[in-house]
Amino acid sequence: GAVVSQHPSWVICKSGTSVKIECRSLDFQATTMFWYRQFPKQSLMLMATSNEGSKATYEQGVEKDKFLINHASLTLSTLTVTSAHPEDSSFYICSATGTGDLQPQHFGDGTRLSIL
Amino acid sequence: QKEVEQDPGPLSVPEGAIVSLNCTYSNSAFQYFMWYRQYSRKGPELLMYTYSSGNKEDGRFTAQVDKSSKYISLFIRDSQPSDSATYLCAMRPTGANSKLTFGKGITLSVRP
Repeated sequence: GAVVSQHPSWVICKSGTSVKIECRSLDFQATTMFWYRQFPKQSLMLMATSNEGSKATYEQGVEKDKFLINHASLTLSTLTVTSAHPEDSSFYICSATGTGDLQPQHFGDGTRLSIL
Repeated sequence: QKEVEQDPGPLSVPEGAIVSLNCTYSNSAFQYFMWYRQYSRKGPELLMYTYSSGNKEDGRFTAQVDKSSKYISLFIRDSQPSDSATYLCAMRPTGANSKLTFGKGITLSVRP
């Protein structure tokens, strides 16, 4: 089956630093990638949708300058949390979908971000 | 009314039981239906994916879609302790860029 790799799986850093999370599709070309945030015992909240070579489309209420998304190739998208603060601590998950309307979304294993 | 409603949990069953998980939806534009399984501190894993009314079977799992009633189900036969996880229904309209709308998820516990 389709594999999406997310790295790192867990990161702890000090308030004010920037953190980059990578999302890679290992065995298919991901024309569209999605970034989600998940709070404990809650469902996934979509943050943004990115297409290869285009600017990401952010959901209402998500700060574009805070959460920088780059989708430079058909197998890699990155999410950078800039000047992270404790309230940015969360579980971030990416997903990817291949070419064609019938393709489902495949998810990475998530990144647990803890800001001290 | 929320676009997707999922049966509240948690759900606890003995090993070997048949489990029935359900979601209803209100948006008739939804055409693609998925069930994901999510273990603690992991990303969702795609279990079943359907885009037409009817049944789809894969091993111990059967997904059922009834578009006329706007109702989808996931059945798990011969449930195992390893099936203990959170199950999320998700659905979307046509269009590869379409966003998924998720149910809230139900936590299943299968007792040995």
